Amino acid sequence: SAVISQKPSRDICQRGTSLTIQCQVDSQVTMMFWYRQQPGQSLTLIATANQGSEATYESGFVIDKFPISRPNLTFSTLTVSNMSPEDSSIYLCSVETLGSYEQYFGPGTRLTVT
Amino acid sequence: QKEVEQNSGPLSVPEGAIASLNCTYSDRGSQSFFWYRQYSGKSPELIMFIYSNGDKEDGRFTAQLNKASQYVSLLIRDSQPSDSATYLCAVGTGGYNKLIFGAGTRLAVHP
Repeated sequence: SAVISQKPSRDICQRGTSLTIQCQVDSQVTMMFWYRQQPGQSLTLIATANQGSEATYESGFVIDKFPISRPNLTFSTLTVSNMSPEDSSIYLCSVETLGSYEQYFGPGTRLTVT
Repeated sequence: QKEVEQNSGPLSVPEGAIASLNCTYSDRGSQSFFWYRQYSGKSPELIMFIYSNGDKEDGRFTAQLNKASQYVSLLIRDSQPSDSATYLCAVGTGGYNKLIFGAGTRLAVHP
């Protein structure tokens, strides 16, 4: 498995502002993914972050709202832009390790928008 | 719309019993299947991964996959109160093996 860290672990933000969440892995990984888990619900994939190319977004998620960067094989960021209370959620990154389909999750970022 | 279905529970079992968790999926092209355990306030923890028909055992956990029936299950033997959590079934699909999650089944193991 991989050791995954996320920053910040939690934040309280005002509506209309933006927050950038960082995901760092201790080893090179093939794929990185960003998920959202709204209160009391399961996980929904936001986008797949590919190193060296643009992220691939799922239906209902757009780049202007959730810009993603993946500058190398161990790091990615997700920005939540122009936030509203509906963006209050836990944001999780996951990684797919080299040579395997196994995916592991970071500890998550708990975001509250007021 | 690709879907993953789970019974939300709660599933209540006595300590020492076998807990059986079930999951069905709609995409016949899915190739990888995962079970995650999520404690309240924590992120999902991978406990089983299976991609071939049949059974896969790891300690007290057994994952069972039947692609013809589009069905995957998780058995937990000798259930312990520490197994009380939400169990998420996830199915890998598409070229990037992105995961589609079920709603999760809440398991409660009582002493």
